[in-house]
Amino acid sequence: EDQVTQSPEALRLQEGESSSLNCSYTVSGLRGLFWYRQDPGKGPEFLFTLYSAGEEKEKERLKATLTKKESFLHITAPKPEDSATYLCAVQANDYKLSFGAGTTVTVRA
Amino acid sequence: DAGVTQSPTHLIKTRGQQVTLRCSPISGHKSVSWYQQVLGQGPQFIFQYYEKEERGRGNFPDRFSARQFPNYSSELNVNALLLGDSALYLCASSLEWKGETQYFGPGTRLLVL
Repeated sequence: EDQVTQSPEALRLQEGESSSLNCSYTVSGLRGLFWYRQDPGKGPEFLFTLYSAGEEKEKERLKATLTKKESFLHITAPKPEDSATYLCAVQANDYKLSFGAGTTVTVRA
Repeated sequence: DAGVTQSPTHLIKTRGQQVTLRCSPISGHKSVSWYQQVLGQGPQFIFQYYEKEERGRGNFPDRFSARQFPNYSSELNVNALLLGDSALYLCASSLEWKGETQYFGPGTRLLVL
């Protein structure tokens, strides 16, 4: 069974304090790894798709990287508006998305 | 462009009742997936439909069913509601069903009393 584990569960940062979120996975044939951002009470918002080890994607203060066993989401110089829950999901050979429980990031001004 | 839309936004039901949730995908998207998200957890896959055919089913009981219409919109039905069915139900659409990025709607918040 596909498994996705995200750490830490929660992260409290000062504005400008860079940090990284981890997503480790076991999957039978990785088709893609996805990062989403979710604000309270809303649907997940797509951020990145990574397909192969060594791949990197960037968007504003966010950068996602992928290895054969895990992915990292780096947040550089975060602002309060970056506060959200960040979800990682993997897509295996059956094309279903399996999500982790998420990392809740709080950025204080 | 309009994103994925879902209705209703909120719903309160009692145990044993039945509920129907609706989803309209992004224009041009042919695949719709349904997820259940319990508070504090990530979304759990329920169904995926493509071109009106079921392409995948998660580990949910037969009380859960879905269908997709010719205009690619979709309905999720849940019969004999249990307290544990209280959750945020999310619909996601994608262009095709294999390896495509899924874009989520705002969800329907279901409370079962």
